[in-house]
Amino acid sequence: KQEVTQIPAALSVPEGENLVLNCSFTDSAIYNLQWFRQDPGKGLTSLLLIQSSQREQTSGRLNASLDKSSGRSTLYIAASQPGDSATYLCAVRPATGANNLFFGTGTRLTVIP
Amino acid sequence: NAGVMQNPRHLVRRRGQEARLRCSPMKGHSHVYWYRQLPEEGLKFMVYLQKENIIDESGMPKERFSAEFPKEGPSILRIQQVVRGDSAAYFCASSPYQTGNTEAFFGQGTRLTVV
Repeated sequence: KQEVTQIPAALSVPEGENLVLNCSFTDSAIYNLQWFRQDPGKGLTSLLLIQSSQREQTSGRLNASLDKSSGRSTLYIAASQPGDSATYLCAVRPATGANNLFFGTGTRLTVIP
Repeated sequence: NAGVMQNPRHLVRRRGQEARLRCSPMKGHSHVYWYRQLPEEGLKFMVYLQKENIIDESGMPKERFSAEFPKEGPSILRIQQVVRGDSAAYFCASSPYQTGNTEAFFGQGTRLTVV
């Protein structure tokens, strides 16, 4: 069964700092990996989707990488801002069997002004 | 495109009552997924439906929980005889087709509180 782990569970950084969030998964047979942002009491906003054949995706100050063989993904946030404060979730979609997403428990990011 | 719409956003039920959560997928999407997020936990898959069919309900509790996606209207997640442990955020996601390369789009969730 696919298991997704995110570390650290919480992270505080001063504004302007670059940071990396980590996601690991146990079964490398995936269709894609998706990073989401969740604000307190809110829904999930999709940030980046990386297909299994891709190595990375970029959107603005965000860059996500995928190393499928080692079961790892990172989300890099450049020049962090207080508005980036949220919980970041990664989720993988298995290539076989289940059609649903498997989520990590998230990294709670606080960017201090 | 209005996105995935869930209602109500907040729902309070007394123990033993029924809770009905609604999800309208994005326009053109015929696949719906329900997830549950317990406090301080990650999202867990509950059920996957297409129009008039339950495809995968492996994540659904065996009792009190049911889901449907009728030919017309929203998908409904029904919880009968709610208990305190059912308090959670319930999220719905939709996709246009089954293939695994699609991006998942989520609604804002329904936060159920059982008192």
